[in-house]
Amino acid sequence: SSELTQDPAVSVALGQPVRITCQGDSLTAYYATWYQQKPGQAPVLVIYGKNNRPSGIPDRFSGSSSGNTASLTITGAQAEDEADYFCSSRDSSGHRLGVVFGGGTKLTVL
Amino acid sequence: QLHLQESGPGLVKPSETLSLTCTVSGGSISSNTYFWGWIRQPPGKGPEWIGSFSYNGDTYYNPSLKSRVTTSVEMSKDQFSLNLSSVTAADTAVYYCARGAYSSNWWNAFDIWGQGTMVAVSS
Repeated sequence: SSELTQDPAVSVALGQPVRITCQGDSLTAYYATWYQQKPGQAPVLVIYGKNNRPSGIPDRFSGSSSGNTASLTITGAQAEDEADYFCSSRDSSGHRLGVVFGGGTKLTVL
Repeated sequence: QLHLQESGPGLVKPSETLSLTCTVSGGSISSNTYFWGWIRQPPGKGPEWIGSFSYNGDTYYNPSLKSRVTTSVEMSKDQFSLNLSSVTAADTAVYYCARGAYSSNWWNAFDIWGQGTMVAVSS
């Protein structure tokens, strides 16, 4: 297994851009996956692969990567984007079914 | 619309085995395109991947839980199950089942999740 590290909390003013980061050795080999989770709900997939959004995810969400750091960017944060965001990737074994999660970032929209 | 639903006891005694079932509706487990997995989330913490399997029989568990985890599948019922043995209070969490997708080399992701079921370990 490996570790993915996220900042515990980030805040952003309404309508402003915000970047949430995820660091880990596995990210030098694999793309990060990003999930949004609101209180009392299951996580929702928002970004996977190089920068792919599932159907229904607004295009203000995007993903990028550099070295051992992956980023989720929200261009123009909305009130409904206030949530916990988790990254994941394949674990260090590289097995296609292996997964490791980050600890999550709580996004507050001011 | 694919739907996953977890079921099982909400309370398990320490040292006993936690057993959960995931029922898939609106689709089938029998697909080579996807895999299936279990994830748990302790209160106030991030998710922890437990294990995954695919239709071709490939199975992979979190190394930190591997000694206590077994999974099984009942294709005819589109159900899969999780057993976690010798539980302690540290196993208290919301347990989710989910459908996964992956590329051959670059990524994997859980694209559809069940609503989750809270399991407390307590005497």
